[in-house]
Amino acid sequence: DIVMTQSPDSLAVSLGERATINCKSSQSVLYSSNNKNNLAWYQQKPGQPPKLLIYWASTRESGVPDRFSGSGSGTDFALTISSLQAEDVAVYYCQQHYGSPFTFGPGTKVDIK
Amino acid sequence: EVQLVESGGGLVKPGGSLRLSCAASGFTFSSAWMSWVRRAPGKGLEWVGRISTKSDHATTHYAAPVKGRFTISRDDSENTLNLEMNSLKTEDTAVYYCVTDYWGSFNHWGQGTLVTVSS
Repeated sequence: DIVMTQSPDSLAVSLGERATINCKSSQSVLYSSNNKNNLAWYQQKPGQPPKLLIYWASTRESGVPDRFSGSGSGTDFALTISSLQAEDVAVYYCQQHYGSPFTFGPGTKVDIK
Repeated sequence: EVQLVESGGGLVKPGGSLRLSCAASGFTFSSAWMSWVRRAPGKGLEWVGRISTKSDHATTHYAAPVKGRFTISRDDSENTLNLEMNSLKTEDTAVYYCVTDYWGSFNHWGQGTLVTVSS
């Protein structure tokens, strides 16, 4: 199974500042056949189901604000919130969709400083 | 608008069984691969299993902790996804989410249904 790790476990950022979450997979999630990295990011707020933000490492889901961006390739990835808003307080998870079993990172909690 | 509504959760004793259902609307269910994802209390997200479309033979795959105990099925005539859970263990206690499965990323989620396995 592909093991996903995230860092940091939590971070507090001032409103309007940048927040960056890192994600690492235990093996490459790059499909050589289409050159796509099979890595997704989700946001989960208390009492709500997770929401898909990014898939294929950098493709933003429809309706997701452009302050959210994904980057990286192979085994190392990042989710960046360019200007943190109050509504971005949540837990963020990365997930590999390279192959079954699909696995998630442990989550990173983002708060306002 | 895509809607996924889970039902069937509740309290069950260890060793017992439960059947979850998910009513889908707002998209062409028969063309969608579907998965179940769960979140145990105080823990992270865990993929449970998936089912392909009937045209892809309704093939199922399961996570190791549930393989042989859980069965995913679909009824395209009723736009319903099912999860049959047998031999339940306390560690199966979780909120279970029905999700649409787009190349293994999960783009629409239901609100979830809570399954509690306890004596």
